[in-house]
Amino acid sequence: GQNIDQPTEMTATEGAIVQINCTYQTSGFNGLFWYQQHAGEAPTFLSYNVLDGLEEKGRFSSFLSRSKGYSYLLLKELQMKDSASYLCAGRTGGGNKLTFGTGTQLKVEL
Amino acid sequence: SQTIHQWPATLVQPVGSPLSLECTVEGTSNPNLYWYRQAAGRGLQLLFYSVGIGQISSEVPQNLSASRPQDRQFILSSKKLLLSDSGFYLCAWGFSSADTQYFGPGTRLTVL
Repeated sequence: GQNIDQPTEMTATEGAIVQINCTYQTSGFNGLFWYQQHAGEAPTFLSYNVLDGLEEKGRFSSFLSRSKGYSYLLLKELQMKDSASYLCAGRTGGGNKLTFGTGTQLKVEL
Repeated sequence: SQTIHQWPATLVQPVGSPLSLECTVEGTSNPNLYWYRQAAGRGLQLLFYSVGIGQISSEVPQNLSASRPQDRQFILSSKKLLLSDSGFYLCAWGFSSADTQYFGPGTRLTVL
């Protein structure tokens, strides 16, 4: 399995940009996912990276560097509704199992 | 489009009682199905996954079991609940081994 590391908490201001980092073990790596989870709710899919580079989806972008075992989620033009936990998850090998990090709790303030 | 259902939404059970949580998927055939548990303040832990009817892989040894009696139905069970079984139980589905997993609404279980 994977060891997924991400910061526990972050705080940012409405309208700003925030970057949430995630590091993982590179051995057997085969894809990295980002999910958003609001308090008391199920995670919802945000992005998926399997190759190096940046994937952009509106205000959200995700970057992957496979050689460095590093990914980040970039949130632009922050809104209060972006306050949530952001989960990084890695897949290894040819299977269908994901290993999740403990999540980064983002608080957006006025 | 595909939808995933879980029930019940919340459950309070005494220690030693049995458990049955159900998950169904609509709008797709032969999905991969997964059961996760999220304890308070902790990450998602994969409990079981299934690639077809009757095919169950267990990830964590414990007093839980899973079954897949139909293509789009996944059931999580226990004969005797422990206090440590409390948590947020999430069912997820995916098209194939290389695809994204999508989560159901979850069941919040409290064992007293």
